[in-house]
Amino acid sequence: AQTVTQSQPEMSVQEAETVTLSCTYDTSESNYYLFWYKQPPSRQMILVIRQEAYKQQNATENRFSVNFQKAAKSFSLKISDSQLGDTAMYFCAFMKPDNYQLIWGAGTKLIIKP
Amino acid sequence: NAGVMQNPRHLVRRRGQEARLRCSPMKGHSHVYWYRQLPEEGLKFMVYLQKENIIDESGMPKERFSAEFPKEGPSILRIQQVVRGDSAAYFCASSPVGQGGMNTEAFFGQGTRLTVV
Repeated sequence: AQTVTQSQPEMSVQEAETVTLSCTYDTSESNYYLFWYKQPPSRQMILVIRQEAYKQQNATENRFSVNFQKAAKSFSLKISDSQLGDTAMYFCAFMKPDNYQLIWGAGTKLIIKP
Repeated sequence: NAGVMQNPRHLVRRRGQEARLRCSPMKGHSHVYWYRQLPEEGLKFMVYLQKENIIDESGMPKERFSAEFPKEGPSILRIQQVVRGDSAAYFCASSPVGQGGMNTEAFFGQGTRLTVV
């Protein structure tokens, strides 16, 4: 069975700094999808970025980028020039192809300080 | 286009009562997924429904929990005879087709926080 582990329960950085959230996963699949979701205090679950395992290139969305290390089964999220609005819970999630179940990590609480 | 709408946002029930959670998918979406989030944990898959069909309920507890997605109206997650352990946030997501890849992103609602007292 697939598992997703986020080892940092909480992180705190100053505004404008760069922060990296870690995520590791366990699977025997060779192809799959990985996601980072943001959950602000409103509780809305918002997709931040996603990665297809068969793509070597790391995904990037504006200030958000990932470091995908397939052999190490690692999928970290880097937030550059952090903003107060980035304060939220961040969840890493895994999905097998041709499936629909998202397997979630426990989340990392990120606090951006002014 | 309104997003996924869940109501109520907060629901308090006494032990033994019934809880009914509603989810209206985005317009044009015919696939609905329910997830449960316990405190300090990530989401856990419960059930996947299409209109009038339960596709996969492997994550649903065997007793007291049921879900439906009728031809007309919202999807309903029903919990009978609630217990304290049912206290959690329940999230609904919808997609236009089955979420089996990158082109079928599921959109989430804001969740219903159920508290059993």
